[in-house]
Amino acid sequence: GAGVSQSPSNKVTEKGKDVELRCDPISGHTALYWYRQSLGQGLEFLIYFQGNSAPDKSGLPSDRFSAERTGGSVSTLTIQRTQQEDSAVYLCASSSGVDTQYFGPGTRLTVL
Amino acid sequence: AQSVAQPEDQVNVAEGNPLTVKCTYSVSGNPYLFWYVQYPNRGLQFLLKYITGDNLVKGSYGFEAEFNKSQTSFHLKKPSALVSDSALYFCAGPQGGGSQGNLIFGKGTKLSVKP
Repeated sequence: GAGVSQSPSNKVTEKGKDVELRCDPISGHTALYWYRQSLGQGLEFLIYFQGNSAPDKSGLPSDRFSAERTGGSVSTLTIQRTQQEDSAVYLCASSSGVDTQYFGPGTRLTVL
Repeated sequence: AQSVAQPEDQVNVAEGNPLTVKCTYSVSGNPYLFWYVQYPNRGLQFLLKYITGDNLVKGSYGFEAEFNKSQTSFHLKKPSALVSDSALYFCAGPQGGGSQGNLIFGKGTKLSVKP
């Protein structure tokens, strides 16, 4: 079956611009996670959705970061006023709510 | 809080030899542990998990991992390495304990298998 998909695969933007990253989870998966992977920080948790609710936003690095999930499916991660330190690979994962998380291919964000 | 550590940045193995990628953990209660593999410019692929039961867990691509409670380790192993196994390997566990919730990851171990 289809796995987790993310778009765009690559995004280059200028400092100060807003960006939106999209995640389509595996059909039927109720839990959705966003992580960030960067050279200096490794893999960091950003936010977790159960259905459309986000019980854990503890990993969002600043108020420039926000995310939403609609219809218990697609999620969008928005970064406002991007900074160079936001450059990273943003990974989305989904699970059926019990254990294994399945990851998408990621979006590579480059902020110039 | 839980933690997962991978003490080796890189592991080098000759093709055909056995490989081990190390992971140690610190959790309260019963640990739930995972191994993922990442190929260049790709997302993470699930390899195997330990939830409960047998300490030797078998996973994808011939990999297995041994859960050792006394040593708080969950090392990834394969009897005979392939060049195509060269990749970045991550050990992970749920931050809040239990089987759900966000994962915390080790820093990753780069496996290089030479012909």
